[in-house]
Amino acid sequence: DAGVIQSPRHEVTEMGQEVTLRCKPISGHDYLFWYRQTMMRGLELLIYFNNNVPIDDSGMPEDRFSAKMPNASFSTLKIQPSEPRDSAVYFCASTGRGEAFFGQGTRLTVV
Amino acid sequence: AQTVTQSQPEMSVQEAETVTLSCTYDTSESDYYLFWYKQPPSRQMILVIRQEAYKQQNATENRFSVNFQKAAKSFSLKISDSQLGDAAMYFCAYDGAYGGSQGNLIFGKGTKLSVKP
Repeated sequence: DAGVIQSPRHEVTEMGQEVTLRCKPISGHDYLFWYRQTMMRGLELLIYFNNNVPIDDSGMPEDRFSAKMPNASFSTLKIQPSEPRDSAVYFCASTGRGEAFFGQGTRLTVV
Repeated sequence: AQTVTQSQPEMSVQEAETVTLSCTYDTSESDYYLFWYKQPPSRQMILVIRQEAYKQQNATENRFSVNFQKAAKSFSLKISDSQLGDAAMYFCAYDGAYGGSQGNLIFGKGTKLSVKP
């Protein structure tokens, strides 16, 4: 298996634009997580899904953030409109065999 | 709410020597999981070691071992025979067992480990 795949690896966008981050979990994993990493706040959980159903979105910072998982092999995290304070590395992870496997992350820069 | 604290922002070790990274946590749960993750400059999060709270035996993975003190809520990572490739950020993480996902993680702020040749 290729692991958890995130795209794009890097994204630079202008303030006010819509940004969509994508994630393909490992096949057979039934949990999917979105994390955000910043220098100030460290790694924090935004939302997670079980069998494609959102379970806990209490970490989503604002209504500008939304996440979907239309099927077992794909999830998106959307920010609309984006702001400079959204600049961070966004990780997707899926779990299996008692371990969370992380993607390479998307570095988002909002200018 | 559960919290994870790493009190050492940076550590340094000589190649081939041993280093211990500290982690404390706070929880009212009796069953949970603890992890150490490594994040090299490549940004990839890599699981180093995993400990289940109900297991008294400390986990070991090759050169990596933990000292798990449940009563003290302490979970330190020992790296033996340090190698240049061990240089990275190390994150301690907690997951309550109730969810069963083992991915709903609360992370500490991390310790940056440097390895001197």
